[in-house]
Parts: sequence; C-alpha cells; structure tokens
Amino acid sequence: SQQGEEDPQALSIQEGENATMNCSYKTSINNLQWYRQNSGRGLVHLILIRSNEREKHSGRLRVTLDTSKKSSSLLITASRAADTASYFCATRGETDSWGKLQFGAGTQVVVTP
Amino acid sequence: DAGVIQSPRHEVTEMGQEVTLRCKPISGHNSLFWYRQTMMRGLELLIYFNNNVPIDDSGMPEDRFSAKMPNASFSTLKIQPSEPRDSAVYFCASSLGIAGAGDEQFFGPGTRLTVL
Repeated sequence: SQQGEEDPQALSIQEGENATMNCSYKTSINNLQWYRQNSGRGLVHLILIRSNEREKHSGRLRVTLDTSKKSSSLLITASRAADTASYFCATRGETDSWGKLQFGAGTQVVVTP
Repeated sequence: DAGVIQSPRHEVTEMGQEVTLRCKPISGHNSLFWYRQTMMRGLELLIYFNNNVPIDDSGMPEDRFSAKMPNASFSTLKIQPSEPRDSAVYFCASSLGIAGAGDEQFFGPGTRLTVL
C-alpha cells in the first residue's frame, strides 16, 4: 500500500518558474525522502529530511516537513527543461524495518522552454 | 562506481515461460530491494534483503515469484510461470543498510518485462 500521496498528480510550468508539489502521509515517520525519475530511468535520490527537521535545502530544491499535518512539500526554484520528470516522496515509518520505504504515486512535472 | 546494475534491460517472453531478472548492488551496500512499477499500481516493494537475508517479502504477489541473494554482490528475481499481468518495469535498489546512516536508496536502470 502507498503511504504517501503526492499532489498535484501533474504540473506543467514554464522555464524559470517555481514548481511546488506536496506529499501527505498517514503514519508517523522516521524520515521522508524525495526522488526524481526521468522517463525510462530509475529513481534518483534528491533529498532526505528527518522527522525532527522542518526545512532543508539542496541547490534549487527546498523541502519542508510538517509532522503535525503529516505533510511535506518540495519546491524547485527557477525550473529548467531538464527538471522535467516524475517526483516521488517516500517515507520510512517509525515502526518500519530499517531501510524500508513506502513510495507515493508521484507528481509528473513538465517544464517547457 | 558503476551504480546498481540490472540485466537484462528488456525482456519479452511468452506466457508460461520462466523469467529471471538479475541485479548487482553497489559494492559495500548491505540492503537490496526489488520493486515493480506499473501505471496502475505505481511503485511496489516486492522484497528486500539485509546482509543477504530476506527481511520482508510481504510484497511478493504470488508463489510464482521468488527472490534469492546468494552473496553480497548478486540477487535474482524469478517468475515462474510468467503471466501477462506480470508485465512491468522491475527495479533493483541498494542502500548502505547501516542503522543510523541515511537510508537513501540507489536504483538501477530497471528491467522492462513484457509477457505476451
């Protein structure tokens, strides 16, 4: 079963704009991760945020985590055509065996030049 | 490092045939995961190993599916007999598998399986 649900399912923006996607989950977590998947490729890890963290940055990526609302957001600033991909959140539950992640359904992002 | 290696990249087979997918994790990684991705069901965890031992196989759909990890550098996922509904992209991923370290997973390129 999927723990995380991304919103929106699809997002279309122009280069230079910011892209924001959200992830909601159901049970208490140890950490939440975001992954990117380009068409026909495997997933690539982007960023990990622990349950005791509220915000994290990596380059043009900004992730927030609100454990009281059981939600996270991923912001991609100044988007580029190369950011076109599907983005997945993944959670490790507090009671899950170490290393086991549950992935959401993903947000498909299209960035047009 | 070559990353996670999967073979074959594409497999087309007929219903009833045996299919074996292979994975070589990143050297030094102790955890290995098998996932299946379809449009309908998204990314599903099938089974994962830690130190070559299966830890959780609750995601394996049926007895037709089996997975092994005979050593730290090799794992197989076998489907016997295969059915058209098994058509999907199968991913292998590995992680450090050390408690306290980040459990970031590194994915292979996937095997696209088509069962006719």
